Amino acid sequence: DTGVSQDPRHKITKRGQNVTFRCDPISEHNRLYWYRQTLGQGPEFLTYFQNEAQLEKSRLLSDRFSAERPKGSFSTLEIQRTEQGDSAMYLCASSPVQTGKGEQFFGPGTRLTVL
Amino acid sequence: LAKTTQPISMDSYEGQEVNITCSHNNIATNDYITWYQQFPSQGPRFIIQGYKTKVTNEVASLFIPADRKSSTLSLPRVSLSDTAVYYCLVGGSNYQLIWGAGTKLIIKP
Repeated sequence: DTGVSQDPRHKITKRGQNVTFRCDPISEHNRLYWYRQTLGQGPEFLTYFQNEAQLEKSRLLSDRFSAERPKGSFSTLEIQRTEQGDSAMYLCASSPVQTGKGEQFFGPGTRLTVL
Repeated sequence: LAKTTQPISMDSYEGQEVNITCSHNNIATNDYITWYQQFPSQGPRFIIQGYKTKVTNEVASLFIPADRKSSTLSLPRVSLSDTAVYYCLVGGSNYQLIWGAGTKLIIKP
């Protein structure tokens, strides 16, 4: 399967703990995105990479969130000192570089539950 | 960034054609219109994208009037498996798309 993969699929943690999620994009895709989605809402943009460069980060994103894409391939999203409000589905997507196009390929997501 | 407005929910029956309309009054000249489908506990899946007039692929058609202030996703002969949330987005680049709450489509037997 050459689609976007995410690991883990589910994560349960206690408030105050740190968590890290991994995303493996489609191999030839330069662009990688992270989103957060809560029940009944559409995905909320968190951050965007082109190759290894983090080009955009949502102003809504707390300093507790950090993302990396060290070699322009896989990416990690870390949440420090988790809070119950961080409970959500975290989605990763990738896309090739195509100006003016909006097609993104999404992974299955990581569902985070903070107790 | 252009915002979109679409119905919160719609019902239809198997075998019917379903049309979901989205309004995007502030669409910019270089914005494309893209529709995604999302099933519970899965990531969104791209359905179709267009700039103007009509676009058709194997699963849907997208109708865009000349003023581009709205668009209509048409799903022919829906089945129970088309029950999902459908999102309409507009954007000129490949990121920073604004996702609304989407339209929850329920197909009944």
